Amino acid sequence: GAVVSQHPSWVICKSGTSVKIECRSLDFQATTMFWYRQFPKQSLMLMATSNEGSKATYEQGVEKDKFLINHASLTLSTLTVTSAHPEDSSFYICSGGLAGAETQYFGPGTRLLVL
Amino acid sequence: DQQVKQNSPSLSVQEGRISILNCDYTNSMFDYFLWYKKYPAEGPTFLISISSIKDKNEDGRFTVFLNKSAKHLSLHIVPSQPGDSAVYFCAASGVTGANNLFFGTGTRLTVIP
Repeated sequence: GAVVSQHPSWVICKSGTSVKIECRSLDFQATTMFWYRQFPKQSLMLMATSNEGSKATYEQGVEKDKFLINHASLTLSTLTVTSAHPEDSSFYICSGGLAGAETQYFGPGTRLLVL
Repeated sequence: DQQVKQNSPSLSVQEGRISILNCDYTNSMFDYFLWYKKYPAEGPTFLISISSIKDKNEDGRFTVFLNKSAKHLSLHIVPSQPGDSAVYFCAASGVTGANNLFFGTGTRLTVIP
């Protein structure tokens, strides 16, 4: 099956710093990549959708200037949490999808803790 | 506003018996539904899906049932195995394809040997 990797798997940082999370599709070219966030005891919430070479589409309530998404190639998307604060501490998961495909393939997630 | 709901946070089942996981949704525009399984420290893994034009889809030990009038779907696992112990998420989409997915909060299934 299609494999998606994420790096790092966990990160602890100080408040005010920026954190970059990489999402790679290892054995397929992801036409579209999605970024989700999951707070404890809540569902996965879509943050943004990105297509290779174009600007990401952000969901309502997600600050695009705070969560910078770059989808430079069909196998790599990055999410940068700028000036992270403790309330940004969460579990971030990316997924890759194929045009017309029935499902998305998820990465293992990145746990972010902002002190 | 939680459009996809899984009201049971946990379920325990004896090995060999049937596991039934339930999911309700509120948006009648959803026409594609998926179940994902998630192990600790891993991302969700696609399990099975169903289109709104069907009411049942079966794949080995896994069967998904869809009741559109009740806006309810369920995942049946039979027979349940200890390796099935995981968190199960149902998700819904407005159009068929790799588009926005709305997830439930998940149900933790424990299969007791």
